[in-house]
Amino acid sequence: NAGVTQTPKFRILKIGQSMTLQCTQDMNHNYMYWYRQDPGMGLKLIYYSVGAGITDKGEVPNGYNVSRSTTEDFPLRLELAAPSQTSVYFCASTDSRQPYNEQFFGPGTRLTVL
Amino acid sequence: AQKVTQAQTEISVVEKEDVTLDCVYETRDTTYYLFWYKQPPSGELVFLIRRNSFDEQNEISGRYSWNFQKSTSSFNFTITASQVVDSAVYFCALSPRRNTGFQKLVFGTGTRLLVSP
Repeated sequence: NAGVTQTPKFRILKIGQSMTLQCTQDMNHNYMYWYRQDPGMGLKLIYYSVGAGITDKGEVPNGYNVSRSTTEDFPLRLELAAPSQTSVYFCASTDSRQPYNEQFFGPGTRLTVL
Repeated sequence: AQKVTQAQTEISVVEKEDVTLDCVYETRDTTYYLFWYKQPPSGELVFLIRRNSFDEQNEISGRYSWNFQKSTSSFNFTITASQVVDSAVYFCALSPRRNTGFQKLVFGTGTRLLVSP
């Protein structure tokens, strides 16, 4: 079991560029989440998904898009990157059969927008 | 609305000292879950404990213990005989229970613990 994997680990973007952060889990979890962590802050929820084809906005969705075509994958798309999107991004998943158990987090993607 | 406050931004201790990390939460829900996660310098998030709002028993796991007090809306975390490996940022988080069964975590801003030898 690899758990939750994220690629890339690091990325530098120029203002206005776009990119997709990849997230894959091999635990057959229905629930998946994207968070961002700004320096000295806790994690804030960007988007979440309760299953393939179903996504919804979290607390800070502006500037991002997601899709969920399979149970395993939950990519996060940044369109027109801005310096305010400089952050560490974490993907996570939980088992819908035990939804209030721990969230399993990926290792994170550190993104810098210059 | 849900809110989690970790008023201690950074704590420095010397190895073998005991240290308590404070967590105060706000919620109007009667059923909710509280969590602690550890973020070591390597950056990943490690689950430590989950507590539901109906279970106010304190819990001990090795050098770690948790004190949940509903009357003061607090869920404090104590490390006994701290070690250098305990150096990390610790996050307290809250999730209300919903009929959808979906967990929506609200995180505190974290407490950075530095344990020096």
